[in-house]
Amino acid sequence: QVQFVQSGTEVKKPGASVKVSCEASGYTFISYAMHWVRQAPGQRLEWMGWINPGNGNTKYSQKFQGRVIITRDISASIAYMELSSLRSEDTAVYYCVRDKSTVANVFDFWGQGTVVTVSS
Amino acid sequence: DIQMTQSPSSLSASVGDRVTITCRASQGINNDLAWFQHKPGKAPKSLIYAASSLQSGVPSKFSGSRSGTDFTLTISSLQPEDFATYYCQQYNTYPLTFGGGTKVEIK
Repeated sequence: QVQFVQSGTEVKKPGASVKVSCEASGYTFISYAMHWVRQAPGQRLEWMGWINPGNGNTKYSQKFQGRVIITRDISASIAYMELSSLRSEDTAVYYCVRDKSTVANVFDFWGQGTVVTVSS
Repeated sequence: DIQMTQSPSSLSASVGDRVTITCRASQGINNDLAWFQHKPGKAPKSLIYAASSLQSGVPSKFSGSRSGTDFTLTISSLQPEDFATYYCQQYNTYPLTFGGGTKVEIK
């Protein structure tokens, strides 16, 4: 069955970077795009971007352009999301979410989430 | 950005009730609308895509419909496992955007 194991809780200081991983299993990793979505406390879900693991193509929300980088390790079936220049507003739960296709923008399976706290 | 306005923000219902949640898009998105269920501490679960298509394994008590830019999620007979927060999401235009959520609580 499709499963994701996300990396553990992170606590970072303002200005630092964080890199969250999402290890996929139960399907052919390169055949489905992977999105990243976050939810800050009391806020709605927010889409950050996607990667097509097959060719490495990415697309980012303009809100995060220049601060986010999504990469993948095909051999390990892992997707990564790195967010830099962290500020308190980046405190959130970060989810990896599989697309139903290479890039259809239709989500099917979600990771369990990674808590990132930004605090001085 | 396309704004997704979800209503109500919360509701109380009893087991067996029929529940309806509405999501309105700020502009036309065709049928590019999905619904998710989220329980505290768990991974969100995808329920519906293309406004009315059930994701694999999702029970038929969940259904979705569209009228113009208004979309509806209906749960035909609420069960204890259905108490959760529900979100809509449009995927017609970047950035993909979500509604504010509807928390379904036990009456």
